[in-house]
Amino acid sequence: DIQMTQSPSSLSASVGDRVTITCRASQSINKYLNWYQQKPGKAPKVLIYAASSLQSGVPSRFSGSGSGTDFTLTISSLQPEDFATYYCQQSYRTPWTFGQGTKVEIK
Amino acid sequence: EVQLVESGGGFVQPGGSLRLSCSASGFTFSDNAMHWVRQAPGKGLEYVSTISTNGGSTYYADSVKGRFTISRDNSKNTLFLQMSSLRVDDTAVYYCVKASPVTTVTPYSDYWGQGTLVTVSS
Repeated sequence: DIQMTQSPSSLSASVGDRVTITCRASQSINKYLNWYQQKPGKAPKVLIYAASSLQSGVPSRFSGSGSGTDFTLTISSLQPEDFATYYCQQSYRTPWTFGQGTKVEIK
Repeated sequence: EVQLVESGGGFVQPGGSLRLSCSASGFTFSDNAMHWVRQAPGKGLEYVSTISTNGGSTYYADSVKGRFTISRDNSKNTLFLQMSSLRVDDTAVYYCVKASPVTTVTPYSDYWGQGTLVTVSS
């Protein structure tokens, strides 16, 4: 199985901060990398697919980059509603696998 | 509006069985592959099973292979997950998940249900 490793596991940030989360795949996955946001008690929601494509309806402060094994999710200016857990996920090969998650908390 | 509504979760003893259902609306169900994804309490996400549009192709995580069966009824816009020989470590919220259209550059999960909790305990 392809292992996905996110860093950091958690971070504290303030409203307005620029936040970067990284995700590394155990082998090349081209651009088959998606990012999801999950708030407590809610289902995940896709933010970014194909490494850098913004899902319809998602604010433009979210962006993704990368290819191969190294990927980044950036929130350009953190908003109160962005405090959540973020997961990367590869869809290059079954089984699709997720990173362990990055919890973004209020500083 | 896409809606995915799971049902069938509950409390079951180890070794027992449960059948989850997911009623889909707001899109052409038969045109989309579907997934079940689970999340144990306080833990991350795990793909459990996937089924192709016509049900002819299925995938199972190693952790559930031989115990769970995914199926679908396209005439009723419903997805199922039959779970048997349940274990304590199957305790999780189970999400019904729609696959992105085949026209997308890469596949991803574009809509999720609200989830149904399965608790396996003696």
